[in-house]
Amino acid sequence: DAGITQSPRHKVTETGTPVTLRCHQTENHRYMYWYRQDPGHGLRLIHYSYGVKDTDKGEVSDGYSVSRSKTEDFLLTLESATSSQTSVYFCAISGEGGPTDTQYFGPGTRLTVL
Amino acid sequence: GQNIDQPTEMTATEGAIVQINCTYQTSGFNGLFWYQQHAGEAPTFLSYNVLDGLEEKGRFSSFLSRSKGYSYLLLKELQMKDSASYLCAAARDDKIIFGKGTRLHILP
Repeated sequence: DAGITQSPRHKVTETGTPVTLRCHQTENHRYMYWYRQDPGHGLRLIHYSYGVKDTDKGEVSDGYSVSRSKTEDFLLTLESATSSQTSVYFCAISGEGGPTDTQYFGPGTRLTVL
Repeated sequence: GQNIDQPTEMTATEGAIVQINCTYQTSGFNGLFWYQQHAGEAPTFLSYNVLDGLEEKGRFSSFLSRSKGYSYLLLKELQMKDSASYLCAAARDDKIIFGKGTRLHILP
């Protein structure tokens, strides 16, 4: 299994509070991704990174920001959480092939916004 | 536009064979992934097809027809542990687009 961890694994928070999710990898992979997974929608890309300090938006980036100061860490921040951001969040990594390379997923973070 | 379609749910019997179809429409297509996802867990990689044809990997096989925008995942000798969602995903130069997944139920 690829060395990917996510923290926290579960979180309950209130509307309007900031939330940061962490993804940590030990594979030294260049590409990292944040997805959300909701019933009826499947996996949707929020943001991705193609290197330290290089990030770009995915299809559902509104309300989310990311940072990557080290190869191994990719942070996802909800500046002011809303109930619509209740979801399961997955981090993924891929090698030099980028998006056409196999993506390996972390265990996920279940976030509930009340 | 871009779109991936796969059936929402399927049911099959232990020991049988099941085929999960996927059709896709996307620009800049590079290849087609299949992932397996058990309930409450992360997706795990099953296969990646770039060229037309069938690729076999144990009990699982995956087929791609680029001209038809069509793929299928074939599962043989079904086991109870194969009960899961199966995600079809199209790879482009800039990202992977996932389908909504097919939930497969295995009956004893």
